[in-house]
Amino acid sequence: DTAVSQTPKYLVTQMGNDKSIKCEQNLGHDTMYWYKQDSKKFLKIMFSYNNKELIINETVPNRFSPKSPDKAHLNLHINSLELGDSAVYFCASSHQSGDTQYFGPGTRLTVL
Amino acid sequence: GDSVTQMEGPVTLSEEAFLTINCTYTATGYPSLFWYVQYPGEGLQLLLKATKADDKGSNKGFEATYRKETTSFHLEKGSVQVSDSAVYFCALSDRSSASKIIFGSGTRLSIRP
Repeated sequence: DTAVSQTPKYLVTQMGNDKSIKCEQNLGHDTMYWYKQDSKKFLKIMFSYNNKELIINETVPNRFSPKSPDKAHLNLHINSLELGDSAVYFCASSHQSGDTQYFGPGTRLTVL
Repeated sequence: GDSVTQMEGPVTLSEEAFLTINCTYTATGYPSLFWYVQYPGEGLQLLLKATKADDKGSNKGFEATYRKETTSFHLEKGSVQVSDSAVYFCALSDRSSASKIIFGSGTRLSIRP
């Protein structure tokens, strides 16, 4: 009965590859988010979707593309991975935008 | 724009010590304020929140009071435990800023037995 789940938990890949991270929430929330957390624990919002519509798109390289097939899913696809993409990526959801957010366990991405 | 500033860590305390982690904010509207906690290897989880001035949020022995006059939301606990070791994030949500939540930089807390 996990509220927000992400797969995979760990992802190790070579520079230049394309990879996806999946996120699902079973809370019935309308809004979902992707965050990047660097090695110093600084948390930066990347994207936010409300009812499958993009509402926040921070300054993120266009190699990153979110996709929301339905309200319960928000996947993150990354093209042409670079060393600087190594980080922990967190998915989160909230009832509505600005409400308390519920976070997934994170995906640790390592680009070699 | 809106921002959150919290004290830099790491903070190291002995068990049963008193804890304060400072947090101040700037916002154009009337934000809701949050403290999130991240235990090692996990995602963030809500610790407590306050939605208007003078509200006090509390949970697990932690407290924070929304002070509009000083634009602060300091986190306090009277007697910390080893299990409180984590990274703590102060955050605000302001509906005048596209309703996104803005996080502080996080404060790592380590408690010695």
